[in-house]
Parts: sequence; C-alpha cells; structure tokens
Amino acid sequence: KAGVTQTPRYLIKTRGQQVTLSCSPISGHRSVSWYQQTPGQGLQFLFEYFSETQRNKGNFPGRFSGRQFSNSRSEMNVSTLELGDSALYLCASTPQGFGNEQFFGPGTRLTVL
Amino acid sequence: KNQVEQSPQSLIILEGKNCTLQCNYTVSPFSNLRWYKQDTGRGPVSLTIMTFSENTKSNGRYTATLDADTKQSSLHITASQLSDSASYICVVAGGSQGNLIFGKGTKLSVKP
Repeated sequence: KAGVTQTPRYLIKTRGQQVTLSCSPISGHRSVSWYQQTPGQGLQFLFEYFSETQRNKGNFPGRFSGRQFSNSRSEMNVSTLELGDSALYLCASTPQGFGNEQFFGPGTRLTVL
Repeated sequence: KNQVEQSPQSLIILEGKNCTLQCNYTVSPFSNLRWYKQDTGRGPVSLTIMTFSENTKSNGRYTATLDADTKQSSLHITASQLSDSASYICVVAGGSQGNLIFGKGTKLSVKP
C-alpha cells in the first residue's frame, strides 16, 4: 500500500505571497490532518479534515486554510506569507480520525524569504 | 492546561548502550499515548500506541511504559544503533476536544 505523499517536497517563497501544499492520504483513509513543525515549537496541529469537512482546528490565524476533496486528497493554503511561516508542513492520514494510528507523509519544507 | 513535556531535550549515547526517554503529561481526559520516531527531514513514524489499560508495549528494541496514575511514560531503547539517531516525540490523545497534544521531542544522537 502506498504511503502518504506530499507535494512539493521543497518550496521557496517570498513574504506576501501565497502557497498551496498538497497531501494524498493512504488509500482508504478518510481523515487528513495538517501540522506545522518548527525547531522551537515542535509539531503544532493546524486542522483535520474528514469526508471533506473540517472537523478540528488548531490555533492558527485565518491565513492558514485547507480543504479536502471527495477522493480524500487535501490541500493546505497559506496566504500573505510571513517569515515565521518557514517550517516543515506535515500531513497525516488515518482511517477514521485521531483515535487511530496516524501515518505521516515526508513533509513539505517551506522557506519564506 | 493540557501539556506534554519530554526530557531530556537532547541526549548523546554510545552505540550499543541503552537509554530511557521520559514523557510527562497533564492531558485529561486521556485516550491514548503514542511514541513517534522522526528522522531528520522526514515525517514521524509510529513506534507504539498505548491505551489506559496498557502498562508496557514493545516494538523490537523499543519498549514503552505507561503509568496512568502518575501520568508518566517512558521509552526505553535497548542496544542502541546508529540508526536510532532521531527525534522521539511523545503524543497524547485526549482533552475535552479529543485532540492530539505533542511534546517537543527528545533529540537522540548515537555515536560510534
């Protein structure tokens, strides 16, 4: 079974731009969660989508948004990028939700200049 | 406040030695506790998931313990290998909204 895939793997943007990251979950998994990981803060939860609906949300500003498609693939968008948005963005999929084991993708390394 | 604290922040050991990583949590209600291994530049990989009733769980050379009364968990690595060099993240599922609360991880370096 193929694992969680994320594209692109690396991205460089400048302040003020916007970016869209993509995540394809493991086949059959309906829940996709997004995380931001920085050296100082560790992993921080952004949001979770299940069957195209946002089910949980972390404490991030409205510049961070996401969506999930009918095939469970998910996208995350960050608008008006700031230097502090530089991070590794990880997505994880599970069959149903948080109670199940999460399988993480390799992440997208975003650098904001 | 729901928190997960890990210690030490970083650890250096020699190949072949054992080590123990600690995780203390204040998450309530508690659902389960997970340990992940994250190699540099890669996504975390699950090592163990423990529920309230489980005290010990092993995955090869990794053994996790859970004391739900004191809200403490440990991850013991036996006969360490160079490939064990990674960050180890403790995650607790629970809280009033059933979220995942992440520790900041312990960075382990195994030297030859």
